Amino acid sequence: NAGVTQTPKFQVLKTGQSMTLQCAQDMNHNSMYWYRQDPGMGLRLIYYSASEGTTDKGEVPNGYNVSRLNKREFSLRLESAAPSQTSVYFCASSWDRGNTIYFGEGSWLTVV
Amino acid sequence: AQSVAQPEDQVNVAEGNPLTVKCTYSVSGNPYLFWYVQYPNRGLQFLLKYITGDNLVKGSYGFEAEFNKSQTSFHLKKPSALVSDSALYFCAVSPYSGYSTLTFGKGTMLLVSP
Repeated sequence: NAGVTQTPKFQVLKTGQSMTLQCAQDMNHNSMYWYRQDPGMGLRLIYYSASEGTTDKGEVPNGYNVSRLNKREFSLRLESAAPSQTSVYFCASSWDRGNTIYFGEGSWLTVV
Repeated sequence: AQSVAQPEDQVNVAEGNPLTVKCTYSVSGNPYLFWYVQYPNRGLQFLLKYITGDNLVKGSYGFEAEFNKSQTSFHLKKPSALVSDSALYFCAVSPYSGYSTLTFGKGTMLLVSP
């Protein structure tokens, strides 16, 4: 049971570089999410996709873009990485609003 | 907008003793409420949720939570703590009606000593 799979698990970037975090779920969920986790801040929503073909901004969208490639895949792109984007990123999915959210194992990103 | 408060950054309890991790929430209308657990260097795992019905919700690993509408609280409890329960616990809320994503609290670290 793969659930939610995200890659890469670890990445070090230089300031100004770009990269894409990949996420795929095999549970046929409609909704997908990208969160970031920082010490003392809990989880903050970056972007979400309520259903295939739609994306919406969350609490902290600046500096990020997303693509809902199909029902399974939801990628997060950093166009020009900044040290403030050093964080742990989690992809998640759910059937719909109010349903249980299932999380991936996280991607540790360091921007130097 | 909805919000979640977890007033304790850390809770310490001895193994075998009961534990409580506190959560209060603010939301328009009725809430969906969740508890998640995170072990070191792992993703969040679902523990339990309240949608409607019985105010006492039972979940995984012997955990339970009590929904109190008048106090807008959803405290996580376990009758007898285990060392292996040591982890970071998150409470989350979303409104029952209309589309909205979950809002998470900042987390409470539970440390269970032998």
